[in-house]
Order: sequence, then structure tokens, then C-alpha cells
Amino acid sequence: NAGVTQTPKFQVLKTGQSMTLQCAQDMNHNSMYWYRQDPGMGLRLIYYSASEGTTDKGEVPNGYNVSRLNKREFSLRLESAAPSQTSVYFCASMGLTAYEQYFGPGTRLTVT
Amino acid sequence: GQQLNQSPQSMFIQEGEDVSMNCTSSSIFNTWLWYKQDPGEGPVLLIALYKAGELTSNGRLTAQFGITRKDSFLNISASIPSDVGIYFCAGHNDYKLSFGAGTTVTVRA
Repeated sequence: NAGVTQTPKFQVLKTGQSMTLQCAQDMNHNSMYWYRQDPGMGLRLIYYSASEGTTDKGEVPNGYNVSRLNKREFSLRLESAAPSQTSVYFCASMGLTAYEQYFGPGTRLTVT
Repeated sequence: GQQLNQSPQSMFIQEGEDVSMNCTSSSIFNTWLWYKQDPGEGPVLLIALYKAGELTSNGRLTAQFGITRKDSFLNISASIPSDVGIYFCAGHNDYKLSFGAGTTVTVRA
């Protein structure tokens, strides 16, 4: 039982490049989330998917897109990376019966 | 997003001390959660609180859901070196969590 997994762990991009961050959960959770974490700012919600087939914007969605591929997988895409997107990205999932989110280990992204 | 004010921003602990941190909000939350994050890792859930006034313990950790539903506190008793890390409060409404900026706990030299 791996919980929430994320790939890659580290990534360096040049400005303007694109990439997709992958997330998968094996807890049969309905809801999945993408956050970014910057020093001194806690975690900010980028996008979330309350259930399979739905996605909604969070607090900081600009510059990102998401895909809920199936119940297990939720990906985050940066179409044209900018230095302001240098951050640590966390994926999380939540079940139906308890409002407890479980986090993956994070992807550390640097955009130069 | 909804703003959670977490204090203190940082603290130093000496082994054996009790420590306390709290979180306040201008908004009402249905659920309060407390997470701990170690360097290079994702946040790990410590305690979840579901009812106003609820007091819940998990080992040396005790947390309370404020009666107004706008605040919560976390106490750590008899701190040990592995308690160092960043502690986050989070409030839940409508499938979403809003996080505080974190309390960084460091061992006093």
C-alpha cells in the first residue's frame, strides 16, 4: 500500500519548456489535489478534483492545467514554465467519509 | 483562499518541555487538521478534529477545535528531538483545505 506517489522527485526546466507532473493514489479516494509550497507561505491549492470526471480551480491556477485520468491518477501540466513556478509541488488525496487529506512526497521543480 | 493565522512562526524547544501553537481564522471551518512536515518530505497528518469543542489526543499530542469553529490549538508534551519540523494547521470546507503558514520547531542548542 504505497499511499500517494508522485513522479518525478526532482526536475529542472528552462523557461518556456513544458512538463507534466504525475500523481497516483491507491487508497480508492474520490478527491485529489495539487498544491504548491513556497518558503514561508504554507501550501496553496492549485487545482482539485472532487470526484472522477470533475476538476476545479484552486487559489493559484494560472499557468497550470490538470487532468483526472481515472480515479487513481491526477496529473498537473505546466505548458510554458516560468521562473515564478519554481516551487515544491505536492499531490494529495481524500476519501469520502473523513475530511483527511494524505500527501505524496513532493516534486521539487526549478525553472531557470 | 481563506486566511489562517498560525502562531508562533517559529519556536525553540528543549527536550522535555511542553510546547503549544495555535491557529485562528476569520472564517468558520467544519474540520480542523494538524500536519507535521519533515525536511524533504510531504506533510503527515497528526490529528483531525470534527466537532466544535472537541479535544483529541494522539500520544504526546493534544489538539482542540475551538468552540467558535474559528480556531484550534496543538500542544506537544514532553518534547523529544524528533519533534523538530514544521507544523501546519488546516481548516476544511467544501472539499478544500486552507493552510496556515506553519510553525517551525527547532531544538535549542
